[in-house]
Amino acid sequence: SQTIHQWPATLVQPVGSPLSLECTVEGTSNPNLYWYRQAAGRGLQLLFYSVGIGQISSEVPQNLSASRPQDRQFILSSKKLLLSDSGFYLCAWSAYITDNSPLHFGNGTRLTVT
Amino acid sequence: GDSVTQMEGPVTLSEEAFLTINCTYTATGYPSLFWYVQYPGEGLQLLLKATKADDKGSNKGFEATYRKETTSFHLEKGSVQVSDSAVYFCALSTSNAGGTSYGKLTFGQGTILTVHP
Repeated sequence: SQTIHQWPATLVQPVGSPLSLECTVEGTSNPNLYWYRQAAGRGLQLLFYSVGIGQISSEVPQNLSASRPQDRQFILSSKKLLLSDSGFYLCAWSAYITDNSPLHFGNGTRLTVT
Repeated sequence: GDSVTQMEGPVTLSEEAFLTINCTYTATGYPSLFWYVQYPGEGLQLLLKATKADDKGSNKGFEATYRKETTSFHLEKGSVQVSDSAVYFCALSTSNAGGTSYGKLTFGQGTILTVHP
């Protein structure tokens, strides 16, 4: 069966510090991978998605970047965090090609920038 | 662009009460529709889905029917339990110009449900 791992679960970082959140998927090949952010009291916003190694699409302009160095690894990064980067970050995967395939989410990382 | 609107929360019910959470959408083409549930401190889990008009998705006593004429996908449950307390998100698949969504979803803002014993 497929599993998705996301870490760390919680993170407190000072403004201006770098960020690296990692997500890996097991039990499937060629997944579509996604990073979503959930700000306090708001819905989910798609940040990045990837349909293959090295292929990253950005949905909104921001202070963050994403990379996919391996088929089942997706990394969210920032060189210098802003206060507005605080939120709950969720990694997700879906099956390749199938448009109706649902998203499978990790347990999320709660990031607090102080 | 595509959008999803959910009823404002929070919704507070007593155990065994009937639940409705309204969801309406705006989309080009023919999206698939989903309900996700988020329990405290966790990621989202798929609750149910419907891929075409008049389809009914169901799971764990929850149901939702894809109504193209009213662009709605309301979530219902006949008798809620305390364990149903969570945040519920309505979502739709979003296609790009090439007609492939790549699984990207547009989410509503979420509705907090609290069920008391």
